[in-house]
Amino acid sequence: GENVEQHPSTLSVQEGDSAVIKCTYSDSASNYFPWYKQELGKGPQLIIDIRSNVGEKKDQRIAVTLNKTAKHFSLHITETQPEDSAVYFCAGRGNRDDKIIFGKGTRLHILP
Amino acid sequence: ETGVTQTPRHLVMGMTNKKSLKCEQHLGHNAMYWYKQSAKKPLELMFVYSLEERVENNSVPSRFSPECPNSSHLFLHLHTLQPEDSALYLCASSQALAEYGYTFGSGTRLTVV
Repeated sequence: GENVEQHPSTLSVQEGDSAVIKCTYSDSASNYFPWYKQELGKGPQLIIDIRSNVGEKKDQRIAVTLNKTAKHFSLHITETQPEDSAVYFCAGRGNRDDKIIFGKGTRLHILP
Repeated sequence: ETGVTQTPRHLVMGMTNKKSLKCEQHLGHNAMYWYKQSAKKPLELMFVYSLEERVENNSVPSRFSPECPNSSHLFLHLHTLQPEDSALYLCASSQALAEYGYTFGSGTRLTVV
């Protein structure tokens, strides 16, 4: 089955700088990679996703890149703001089943 | 509010108690899920329901018993839990089983004493 590894587990970034979170996956047939943001006291919220037929997707300050050959994908947040502080989860969905497997999460701190 | 409502938000129960967690969605979704979130562990899929039929049971102990009376409601019945079952229990829904986007509720923080 799919296995998703996420790094780093904690990331501190100065406000205004960029943050990058990286994930790798094991199943080469995986075809969908969502990113979720979880704020304190809330459930995870889908913020961006990418499918395997696309290499990059951007939504305002957030972008995701996918390298199918290397089996890794990354979340990029530019011009970080205090409200970006949260836990971010990457995930992968295998092509053979309907399971979405989550990474362990990255706690992002935006420093004033 | 995301459209998926979980109650209660917090629950403290003894190991001999019986309690139930409730999840409700009015998004018109046909698939619903229970996840367990523990500290420093990935989100663990527990149960999957599609059109009120259970399609996944991820080797979850029998002290957790799900129920899906209709496509809008999902319950997790708890009995004789262990302290290691303390965690955040998240409910999620999606348009259909194979649909990509999940909508999560805010979760129930469960503490077993």
